[in-house]
Amino acid sequence: QLQLQESGPGLVKPSETLSLTCSVSGDSFNDNDYYWGWIRQPPGKALEWIGNIHYGGTTFYNSSLRSRVSISLDPSQNHFSLKLSSVTAADTAVYYCARFVRRVGARHFDSWGQGTLVTVSS
Amino acid sequence: DIQMTQSPSSLSASVGDRVTLTCRASQSISNYLSWYQQKPGKAPKLLIYAASTLQSGVPSRFSGSGSGTDFTLTISSLQPEDFATYSCQQSHSTPYTFGQGTQVAIK
Repeated sequence: QLQLQESGPGLVKPSETLSLTCSVSGDSFNDNDYYWGWIRQPPGKALEWIGNIHYGGTTFYNSSLRSRVSISLDPSQNHFSLKLSSVTAADTAVYYCARFVRRVGARHFDSWGQGTLVTVSS
Repeated sequence: DIQMTQSPSSLSASVGDRVTLTCRASQSISNYLSWYQQKPGKAPKLLIYAASTLQSGVPSRFSGSGSGTDFTLTISSLQPEDFATYSCQQSHSTPYTFGQGTQVAIK
């Protein structure tokens, strides 16, 4: 059974870089139908898609974050990572990693990690 | 960006009620629409994808319909475990976007 688990610092200082890792078990990255993504949810607000990565290296980012975000994937470690630079208080949120299914007629996030709260504060 | 608008933002209902939630896209998204259920402090859970396909393991009281810009999620007989927030999400084009959610509360 697929499991995803986020890890990383829960507190980041303003202007620094937020770094999170998603460990994946029960599945492998080299399936052409799957992307691996990050979504965040500020307290009391809606979900916001950050970006996706495919094992082949293709990435898609939210244009609102593109200048600050980077997603990478390490198949040997069975994890993928998020880096968000120059953070501000507006980046305080619960960050989720998830598997994105992309095949003919179907595109959706079918499995999610439990989420990790990241607070930006000095 | 495609804007997703859900209505109502919240509702109160009783166990056994039939409940219909609405999601509207700012432009046509074909059927690339998913519905998620989220309980406080928990990750979203996929209920419906491709507008009307029930995710494996999800009870059949949940159903989805629609295409283009207008979509609905129906719960045929509300159960105690269904009180949660429901969000729609489009995957027609990036940036993928979510609605603001509909909170379903106990009357």
